[in-house]
Amino acid sequence: AQSVTQPDIHITVSEGASLELRCNYSYGATPYLFWYVQSPGQGLQLLLKYFSGDTLVQGIKGFEAEFKRSQSSFNLRKPSVHWSDAAEYFCAVAPLSGGYNKLIFGAGTRLAVHP
Amino acid sequence: DTAVSQTPKYLVTQMGNDKSIKCEQNLGHDTMYWYKQDSKKFLKIMFSYNNKELIINETVPNRFSPKSPDKAHLNLHINSLELGDSAVYFCASSPPGANQPQHFGDGTRLSIL
Repeated sequence: AQSVTQPDIHITVSEGASLELRCNYSYGATPYLFWYVQSPGQGLQLLLKYFSGDTLVQGIKGFEAEFKRSQSSFNLRKPSVHWSDAAEYFCAVAPLSGGYNKLIFGAGTRLAVHP
Repeated sequence: DTAVSQTPKYLVTQMGNDKSIKCEQNLGHDTMYWYKQDSKKFLKIMFSYNNKELIINETVPNRFSPKSPDKAHLNLHINSLELGDSAVYFCASSPPGANQPQHFGDGTRLSIL
């Protein structure tokens, strides 16, 4: 069965520090990969996505993610975190087949940012 | 100019009642979804409609019934509410296709007393 694992439930970083949020997936082939962010009381916003091609993808708000097929990973990174980045981050996959977008989410990683 | 809007934002009701949550999108998307986010923030898809046709129906109790009067609207009706239905329900929309990112509403927090 397809699954997404985000090993870190909660991460705290200092403002200005670098950030890496981990995501591993289990799927027979490379699925479509997404990172979403959820601010308190709000819906999810797409940060970036990977379908094919360059394994390093750039997203909004200075985020990037790297796809590593050998590790079935799609980790999210940011070189310098801002206080406004405090939020819940979700990694998600969508199967290639079916012609429709059935997102399977990880459990999320809550990011806290210290001043 | 909200893209995906849900009403109400908060819903507090008694066990056994019937309630509806409405969702509308003005993005011109063909596909709409309902997700449930539990108290541990875990998100799981419930339903998806493409152009008013049901295309995803996960293992959801039949007390939950989605209705799509047109492709811009997808409402969720819940009968005989139970304590376990307490959650945040998110509506989303996207163009058709597995590689299309979804646009989410701000959620409806349902609390069952």
